Order: sequence, then structure tokens, then C-alpha cells
Amino acid sequence: DAGITQSPRHKVTETGTPVTLRCHQTENHRYMYWYRQDPGHGLRLIHYSYGVKDTDKGEVSDGYSVSRSKTEDFLLTLESATSSQTSVYFCAISPDGMNTEAFFGQGTRLTVV
Amino acid sequence: GENVEQHPSTLSVQEGDSAVIKCTYSDSASNYFPWYKQELGKGPQLIIDIRSNVGEKKDQRIAVTLNKTAKHFSLHITETQPEDSAVYFCAASLTGNQFYFGTGTSLTVIP
Repeated sequence: DAGITQSPRHKVTETGTPVTLRCHQTENHRYMYWYRQDPGHGLRLIHYSYGVKDTDKGEVSDGYSVSRSKTEDFLLTLESATSSQTSVYFCAISPDGMNTEAFFGQGTRLTVV
Repeated sequence: GENVEQHPSTLSVQEGDSAVIKCTYSDSASNYFPWYKQELGKGPQLIIDIRSNVGEKKDQRIAVTLNKTAKHFSLHITETQPEDSAVYFCAASLTGNQFYFGTGTSLTVIP
């Protein structure tokens, strides 16, 4: 896999607790993305970053925040987890934006109980 | 925003046969159409892509066709092999950062 590490790989958390997922890359790519994958919905963009401290919202950003203080790290935070945020979360990276090849991490399975 | 529909949701073929997966999109301004393959427990991986100024692209056993007038694009896999079994996603993009994925097709190649 193209130098992308997601952590944790699996997490179970309780409703109302904050959760942070981490995406770490070693490719020095400019663009980083967070997607969620749910049955019947495919992959949906949550937030993306086009540089350090530069982020923007995606299709399903409500309830999520992100931060990128270093090129290599992109954090996704669920401020107060809800059961509807139970999903598999994927990080992706790209040198020039998603209309060139993007590389996905292996995913984080999050369960909110 | 863009709406991408993908059919069929499941597809079973005999080894050696061809498989075709079809997607339609709603926004005529979309200009980039990638296809991703996702194996069990892994993240999606780009297998082929096509841009709006091209009608067809081929890479060994896989090909993608694009009909801009009808707003649909298709993935064709010939001489299927068991290792082609996976979930395939199409996607469409206008801006390069806002991507809209189809709901996926689970392909099973029967030996």
C-alpha cells in the first residue's frame, strides 16, 4: 500500500464520546481525504485537505471535523459520536487531486454503541 | 450535486467469460471517471480511468467506455479470472476533489 497508515484499524466507542482517527502518509502528497463507506451508499467524502491547515467540506461533513498540522498527518474527529457514524472510514492521498490517481488506506472500522 | 448510479449490484460470471458493469451520472459537467476495485478487507484501488475527451480506454483485459451524450460509462472485463472477484466502484468528478461514487458491484468469478 502506497505509504498510508490508518489508526486505529478497529474501534468500538460509546455514544457521545469524542473519537479521533488518524491518517499518516509517507508519500509527501499534497491532497488527503476522508471517506466513509456504508452499504448501499458506496464511498462518500467527509472532508479533504489540499495542504497544511487547508481543508474543505465534503458531501457528508456534519458531525465531523478535521485537522492537518503536518503534511503527513490528517486527523478526523467525531466530536460526539452517534450510532449513525458507525461505518468504515477510509483515508486517501493524491499528489494532484482526485482526478489523478488516488491511493486509499486499509480503512478503520468504527462501531458506536 | 452529482448523482452516480451503478448496475448491477451483484454479478456472477463463469471463469473466462466477460463482465460488464454500467454507471450513469447526472451532471454533464463531470469530466473524470475512474473505476476502483476493492478486495475484501482492503481499501479501493484504481484500476482504470477515463476523461471526458476520450471515448474508450483499454488496459490489457479491462476497458472503459464513455458516452457523454447519454451520460453513462461502462467497465468491461474480458477473460475473467477468479482473482477478478471483488467489489468494483465507479465514480464521477467535476472539480477533481468532490468525487461521487456509485454504490458498488460485487463481482464473483466462478472457477
